[in-house]
Amino acid sequence: AQSVTQPDIHITVSEGASLELRCNYSYGATPYLFWYVQSPGQGLQLLLKYFSGDTLVQGIKGFEAEFKRSQSSFNLRKPSVHWSDAAEYFCAVRTRYGNKLVFGAGTILRVKS
Amino acid sequence: NAGVTQTPKFQVLKTGQSMTLQCAQDMNHNSMYWYRQDPGMGLRLIYYSASEGTTDKGEVPNGYNVSRLNKREFSLRLESAAPSQTSVYFCASSVSAAYEQYFGPGTRLTVT
Repeated sequence: AQSVTQPDIHITVSEGASLELRCNYSYGATPYLFWYVQSPGQGLQLLLKYFSGDTLVQGIKGFEAEFKRSQSSFNLRKPSVHWSDAAEYFCAVRTRYGNKLVFGAGTILRVKS
Repeated sequence: NAGVTQTPKFQVLKTGQSMTLQCAQDMNHNSMYWYRQDPGMGLRLIYYSASEGTTDKGEVPNGYNVSRLNKREFSLRLESAAPSQTSVYFCASSVSAAYEQYFGPGTRLTVT
C-alpha cells in the first residue's frame, strides 16, 4: 500500500529565511503528488500539484516543489518565508489508477521574527 | 462560488447520540469525500463517492454511514456517537477521482 512520510513534525524558521519541507512516498510507479496548507481553524488549501512533465512545479504564494523519482521525494520549498506562512503543511499522494488521496501526518511551520 | 460548504461548524454530542454532517459543493464536481483529522495522523478517508449514485468505504469507515443525496450534496451520519469519533471532519470534492480535491472549512465534533 502506498504511504507518505513527512519526517519533520515541527519546523521553525526565521522570517526571510529559506524553507524546505520534506516529503517521501512509497509507491512502485510515479504517483500524482500534492502539497496542501492548513491555517489554524481552516480547511486545506491546494498549494501545488505534480502529474507529469517538468519535475519542478510552481504553486501559489511563492511555493515550489521538486519531484525526484530516484529519491521518491517531493519536497516543498520557498526562498523567503513570511510570517503569514505559519501553518501546517500536508503532502499527499494518489496512485495513477486509484481514486484516493493518502496524506502524510503533516509538518507544522513556525515563523519567528 | 462558495466552493465546499459544511454544516455545522461545531457540535458536541453525548455518547450514543446520532447526528448528520452536511456537505455541499457548487463546483459541479463528480467526486466527493469525507475525511477525519486527528493530531499527528494527517487526514484519513472515511468514505467517498466517485460519482453520483456510488459510495465506497475508505480507510476508517466503521461507525459511519454516508449518503450521496445528489451531485451537490454528500452527508456523513454517525448513528451512535462514541468518544473515539471526537475529531475534525472535512468534506472535499474533485472534478473526478483523477484531479485535485478542494476542501470545506471543517466540522469540529466532540463526543463526551
